[in-house]
Amino acid sequence: ILNVEQSPQSLHVQEGDSTNFTCSFPSSNFYALHWYRWETAKSPEALFVMTLNGDEKKKGRISATLNTKEGYSYLYIKGSQPEDSATYLCAFRSSSASKIIFGSGTRLSIRP
Amino acid sequence: DSGVTQTPKHLITATGQRVTLRCSPRSGDLSVYWYQQSLDQGLQFLIQYYNGEERAKGNILERFSAQQFPDLHSELNLSSLELGDSALYFCASSVLGGGAVNEQFFGPGTRLTVL
Repeated sequence: ILNVEQSPQSLHVQEGDSTNFTCSFPSSNFYALHWYRWETAKSPEALFVMTLNGDEKKKGRISATLNTKEGYSYLYIKGSQPEDSATYLCAFRSSSASKIIFGSGTRLSIRP
Repeated sequence: DSGVTQTPKHLITATGQRVTLRCSPRSGDLSVYWYQQSLDQGLQFLIQYYNGEERAKGNILERFSAQQFPDLHSELNLSSLELGDSALYFCASSVLGGGAVNEQFFGPGTRLTVL
């Protein structure tokens, strides 16, 4: 059974602080890892698609790293802002590309 | 606005009925994905179509079926509906999807309520 886990489940961070969270996925049959940002009452918004071991992607204050050999990805947010409050989801895609498994998300709240 | 449209926005129906959800992908996108989000579960992948052909299949029930038409819009058909089918159904699209992967753009979702 393929399992994708995200930790922590929720996180409260002071505005201006930096933070990071983890997505763990199977280390075999890796094809791709997606990161999404999901605000309440909206649709998931794609942040990154990562395919190569050692990949590092960046979009503004948000960046992500990928380690396919050990099966984890980190998402970093630098200098958190209130608009960063959302649930951050990762999704693992297997090498046959036939399965897409989502983690349960990390709910991030930024305290002003 | 992602450019992906879904209709209807809300749907209320009774157990045992059949409904069709519709998705129009972004202009130029060849792949369409369907996802289900139930109250007690996270986002679940149902099925992917790429340029009219089924490309990948997730935990889609046999009572559910989908297709992608020549104009690339897609429909998800849900039949013999049960209370547990009440959920938010998302469609997403991406440019690629045959042998490559890129970011997916999600539609606003269809909220299905089965009474």
